[in-house]
Amino acid sequence: DAGVTQSPTHLIKTRGQQVTLRCSPKSGHDTVSWYQQALGQGPQFIFQYYEEEERQRGNFPDRFSGHQFPNYSSELNVNALLLGDSALYLCASSYGTDQETQYFGPGTRLLVL
Amino acid sequence: GQQLNQSPQSMFIQEGEDVSMNCTSSSIFNTWLWYKQDPGEGPVLLIALYKAGELTSNGRLTAQFGITRKDSFLNISASIPSDVGIYFCAGQVQGSSNTGKLIFGQGTTLQVKP
Repeated sequence: DAGVTQSPTHLIKTRGQQVTLRCSPKSGHDTVSWYQQALGQGPQFIFQYYEEEERQRGNFPDRFSGHQFPNYSSELNVNALLLGDSALYLCASSYGTDQETQYFGPGTRLLVL
Repeated sequence: GQQLNQSPQSMFIQEGEDVSMNCTSSSIFNTWLWYKQDPGEGPVLLIALYKAGELTSNGRLTAQFGITRKDSFLNISASIPSDVGIYFCAGQVQGSSNTGKLIFGQGTTLQVKP
C-alpha cells in the first residue's frame, strides 16, 4: 500500500520563476492538503483540494495556486518566486470527511536563489 | 488567528528517561494529533485524539485530549535513541470555514543521550 508520494524531492529556482510541485495521495484517499514549512517552524496550511476543487485556503497570496486531477493527485504552483518561498512543501492526504486523519508525504525542498 | 503554543521548545535527556510535552491553545479543537518529524522528512502520525478527555497509547507513547479541548499532552516512556526528532502537535477544527485545516505547534526538539 503506497503512502503519499511527492516529486521532485529537491528543487532550486531563481527569483521570479515559476514552480510546479506534485503529489500522489495514499491509496484510498481523495483529499489533498498542501503545507509550507519554513526552517525551524511548524507546517503552515496553504490549501486543500477535494473533488477537484479548492475547499479551503490559508493565508497565502494568489501566487500560490493548485489543481486536483480526477485520479486525486494534485499539483501546487507558485508564480513569481520570492526568496521567502524557500521551504519544505508538504502534501498530506486524507479521506473525505472533516475529521479524517491527514498523512504526510516526504516533502519537496524548494530553494529560491 | 488560531495558534498553538507547544512546550518545551527543546529537550535533552538521558536514554531511559520519560519525556512529557504539551500544547495549549486559546481556541477549541475537535481533533488533536501528534506527529514526529525526522530531518528532511515529512511528519509521521503518532497518535490521533478525537474526544475530549480521551487518553490513547501507542507503544511507549501516551497522549491525552484535554477536557477543555484547548490542550493536549504527549508522554514518551523509557526513551531510546531512535526517539530523537521533532515532535509537533496539531489541532483540527471541524466546521464549514475550517474544514480539514491543521494548525501546528512550533515543535519540540528531542535529543536523547545514550
